[in-house]
Amino acid sequence: ETGVTQSPTHLIKTRGQQVTLRCSSQSGHNTVSWYQQALGQGPQFIFQYYREEENGRGNFPPRFSGLQFPNYSSELNVNALELDDSALYLCASSPRDRGNTIYFGEGSWLTVV
Amino acid sequence: AQSVTQLDSQVPVFEEAPVELRCNYSSSVSVYLFWYVQYPNQGLQLLLKYLSGSTLVKGINGFEAEFNKSQTSFHLRKPSVHISDTAEYFCAVSKADNFNKFYFGSGTKLNVKP
Repeated sequence: ETGVTQSPTHLIKTRGQQVTLRCSSQSGHNTVSWYQQALGQGPQFIFQYYREEENGRGNFPPRFSGLQFPNYSSELNVNALELDDSALYLCASSPRDRGNTIYFGEGSWLTVV
Repeated sequence: AQSVTQLDSQVPVFEEAPVELRCNYSSSVSVYLFWYVQYPNQGLQLLLKYLSGSTLVKGINGFEAEFNKSQTSFHLRKPSVHISDTAEYFCAVSKADNFNKFYFGSGTKLNVKP
């Protein structure tokens, strides 16, 4: 049990639609990162939020956006879905000032048809 | 920039045999090193991590890894595998100034046969 909860666990969307994935972290986890794991590949860093501000971004287009809220929850939003967006999306959170204790959620499986 | 190479995409091994999963990394700065395991249709579980100190790191489920700075490697080993170790294993690095940002390898599927 990592204390990081992601929802929904599975969802199917149509190309061109928009999706919002959610992550709920433990109290005090002020740093959250999102990763995309395509089938058969390792997770790829999308972006990170620290104290509700974006704090680094990987090689993903602007249609991938996020939010972090004061209650330690966060969202990943993807607009104009493409077939290649089909993947497992992982959330990882940590308390920034207590280094190296990072907790991953179970992920949200997104299928774009 | 950081990168991680897992040299073997699949490793078949018989139960109770030893196994080594290879990981090499490249980085211009000091990094932290991690091994994660992913069982089918699940998220990532931390096996072990190297932050500093002893280069031999012991983790859960009998796994261990050795950090070799000169060879920029962090190979994962287990002296005797079980069927339940069948899973995908990911090596990852992060930088000391942003440990929550991981660079993952492409993964190694360990298939333990009876």
